[in-house]
Amino acid sequence: QKEVEQNSGPLSVPEGAIASLNCTYSDRGSQSFFWYRQYSGKSPELIMSIYSNGDKEDGRFTAQLNKASQYVSLLIRDSQPSDSATYLCAVNIRGSTLGRLYFGRGTQLTVWP
Amino acid sequence: NAGVMQNPRHLVRRRGQEARLRCSPMKGHSHVYWYRQLPEEGLKFMVYLQKENIIDESGMPKERFSAEFPKEGPSILRIQQVVRGDSAAYFCASSLSQGNGNTIYFGEGSWLTVV
Repeated sequence: QKEVEQNSGPLSVPEGAIASLNCTYSDRGSQSFFWYRQYSGKSPELIMSIYSNGDKEDGRFTAQLNKASQYVSLLIRDSQPSDSATYLCAVNIRGSTLGRLYFGRGTQLTVWP
Repeated sequence: NAGVMQNPRHLVRRRGQEARLRCSPMKGHSHVYWYRQLPEEGLKFMVYLQKENIIDESGMPKERFSAEFPKEGPSILRIQQVVRGDSAAYFCASSLSQGNGNTIYFGEGSWLTVV
């Protein structure tokens, strides 16, 4: 069973704070990791991808990967109300086709002004 | 800059009817994926297609569901004899190729309601 677990939330932070989103996965063969943002009634939008251990930064977003602990996280610095959305963690397993992703249920984030 | 186009965006069907969902991938993309998102659930992979071929249908329900991606025209996800449990958002995604570093891009989704 290939599972991706996320804190369901909801997570609520004030504007300007750091939002921390966490994800664990069960399959040690996982090789590619993605964070998607999904606004209500909209399609998932890719925020970050990460493939190797460590941190990857893109603007206000930082993805962190620890394969030994089977853990991937997303930090959002200087959170804005427009960041309020559901954040989906997704994993691709080694040997799987690129587009065969395993998703967590998502963490709902609310950033209040 | 046309992305992945899906239609209809919203579809209402009575139990027992057929639902057809269409997906046009991004320009130049030949790999298409269908996902389903049930209420309060995560996205679940259904099927992966290339032009005229089903590559991986391991996520498709065994009955009533089928998918195709013909040489010409959009990919179609077909659900026969719909039941209430089929009510969900169906997302199509596409990618340019299968290599590392390639990204899949999602369409806006088709929301199916079975009444």
